[in-house]
Amino acid sequence: AQKITQTQPGMFVQEKEAVTLDCTYDTSDPSYGLFWYKQPSSGEMIFLIYQGSYDQQNATEGRYSLNFQKARKSANLVISASQLGDSAMYFCAMSRGGGADGLTFGKGTHLIIQP
Amino acid sequence: ETGVTQTPRHLVMGMTNKKSLKCEQHLGHNAMYWYKQSAKKPLELMFVYSLEERVENNSVPSRFSPECPNSSHLFLHLHTLQPEDSALYLCASSQVRQSESSYEQYFGPGTRLTVT
Repeated sequence: AQKITQTQPGMFVQEKEAVTLDCTYDTSDPSYGLFWYKQPSSGEMIFLIYQGSYDQQNATEGRYSLNFQKARKSANLVISASQLGDSAMYFCAMSRGGGADGLTFGKGTHLIIQP
Repeated sequence: ETGVTQTPRHLVMGMTNKKSLKCEQHLGHNAMYWYKQSAKKPLELMFVYSLEERVENNSVPSRFSPECPNSSHLFLHLHTLQPEDSALYLCASSQVRQSESSYEQYFGPGTRLTVT
């Protein structure tokens, strides 16, 4: 079985600062994918970034980067130069590799960016 | 319409009612999913459809009945629900390829369901 742990229920960060959201995972699958999603108050889940278990380099998408440490089973999300619009719930998720497979989600981190 | 759409956005129903949630994806994907998001709980996978066949049913009570008539549409039929079924129901889709190790899922805006 897969498990995602997000240990930060909530975070307050000053605007323009970088922020790191923690995520650790547990799986016995040799191949898997790791994802981060953003959920604003409107409810829609917005895909941010993906990291494959065999990818050698950390994934980056604009201001988002994923700090993947396979030996530690961690996949932290780093947001550089935070903006007020970054305030939202952030969810870490994982899937087994290949095929149609549902995602296993963590409980999420509520990020609030302060001006 | 683009992306993944869901209707209705809000639904209030009594425990004896029958209603259906609709999801439509405009991304040309071949897999669709239903998730349930309850307060203070992680998102829970309910059903997975790949190429219009159900490939996963995550121990969901029979009062929830999914239907996938084609690769673009997914329904969740509801009957005799309980108040604890009140939640945000999210639909997602993805393009599954045999050669890919994994793939991202794109979500709709969700249906906020309240059972009275």
